[in-house]
Amino acid sequence: DVVITQSPLSLPVTLGQPASISCRSSQSLIYSDGNTYLNWFHQRPGQSPRRLIYKVSNRDSGVPDRFSGSGSGTDFTLKISRVEAEDVGVYYCLQGTQLWSFGQGTKLEIK
Amino acid sequence: QVHLVESGGGVVQPGGSLRLSCAASGFQFSAYGMHWVRQAPGKGLEWVAFIRHDGSNKYYADSVKGRFTISRDYSKNTVFLGMNNLRTEDTAVYYCVRDSNGYYYDDEYFHHWGQGTLVTISS
Repeated sequence: DVVITQSPLSLPVTLGQPASISCRSSQSLIYSDGNTYLNWFHQRPGQSPRRLIYKVSNRDSGVPDRFSGSGSGTDFTLKISRVEAEDVGVYYCLQGTQLWSFGQGTKLEIK
Repeated sequence: QVHLVESGGGVVQPGGSLRLSCAASGFQFSAYGMHWVRQAPGKGLEWVAFIRHDGSNKYYADSVKGRFTISRDYSKNTVFLGMNNLRTEDTAVYYCVRDSNGYYYDDEYFHHWGQGTLVTISS
């Protein structure tokens, strides 16, 4: 089974400052079709998760360009260039290369 | 507009059974795979089960294998999650999530989520 390890679990950030979340997989997430199915989600309290990034680095429609995804193989990163108040909540990575599994989640809060 | 509405949650005793439903609308239901994802109170997301667009394959998380069954009814545009031998650790909000198109690949997987239905296992 693929195990996803996300860090940090808690991320206090000052408004306007950058933030970075890591997601590491126990196995390579490169699928047989050449794609890497690593995705990022944001969940606000009381809401369903929202997908932000798919296949490592592709931003979903309506996602601000301050969000970016990068990485390859087993190491991936979500970066927010300048944190805004609406970015608070929990961020999850999801791998879809070998069945599906989520990271533990990273709670972003404003300092 | 894609719309997923879960129902069937409630309070059940340990060892009991429950069947969740997810009514889909706004898209060609028969063309898309469907997932169930759950979230225990105050905890993270856990993928539970997946059924292909044509029902030909079903996959389960180890934590529910042998106890949960995913199925779908094309006449009702509904996907189900049958849950047996329920445990306290199954307490969670259960979300229905759409996968990508099974006939031509798209990037829409996990893009559409329902609002969730709460299942509480307690004596």
